Amino acid sequence: DQQVKQNSPSLSVQEGRISILNCDYTNSMFDYFLWYKKYPAEGPTFLISISSIKDKNEDGRFTVFLNKSAKHLSLHIVPSQPGDSAVYFCAASAWGNNRLAFGKGNQVVVIP
Amino acid sequence: DSGVTQTPKHLITATGQRVTLRCSPRSGDLSVYWYQQSLDQGLQFLIQYYNGEERAKGNILERFSAQQFPDLHSELNLSSLELGDSALYFCASSVDDRVHGYTFGSGTRLTVV
Repeated sequence: DQQVKQNSPSLSVQEGRISILNCDYTNSMFDYFLWYKKYPAEGPTFLISISSIKDKNEDGRFTVFLNKSAKHLSLHIVPSQPGDSAVYFCAASAWGNNRLAFGKGNQVVVIP
Repeated sequence: DSGVTQTPKHLITATGQRVTLRCSPRSGDLSVYWYQQSLDQGLQFLIQYYNGEERAKGNILERFSAQQFPDLHSELNLSSLELGDSALYFCASSVDDRVHGYTFGSGTRLTVV
């Protein structure tokens, strides 16, 4: 049962424009959400996170928005750069639970 | 280099065989987590160890087992291998048993033929 879902497996965007990645979850116990970025032949690297007590968290070019009522979060990358080309995973955890539930990932290609 | 070391990077073996994947956590990290990523799937949590003790278990098959040694490195043992066990196996570590601050290794790609 996929508790974290990422639709639209791939996204192509022009350099300098905005990339928007979406993530939906089904488990209402999730209270902490993370985005990871993965390059080929490397492990996922942490990008940004958000707690359920917030609806927005920003770190440089990366902003994550959380809509708890819709069980939806999104990652905005502005402006997109060629180095952002990677697979992005959405992940979630519930309080007191140490495991992460991951989505299947979105492939982002930034075109120079 | 994330500081989490996984060996080997690639492994090809036959069905029915047994393999051991090794993970050395980042210096100072006490928790080790194992995840499996099958083709076109997200990462699936297998098991977590904290300071030598099993802390949490996911959908890990009975043919799979793991342990964490006193020096904190961990091994994931996969036995009676099937074609469907072909996947990327990632290890991650964190300083405590919280989900914040996971650092992943680069993974071991297992191919069962």
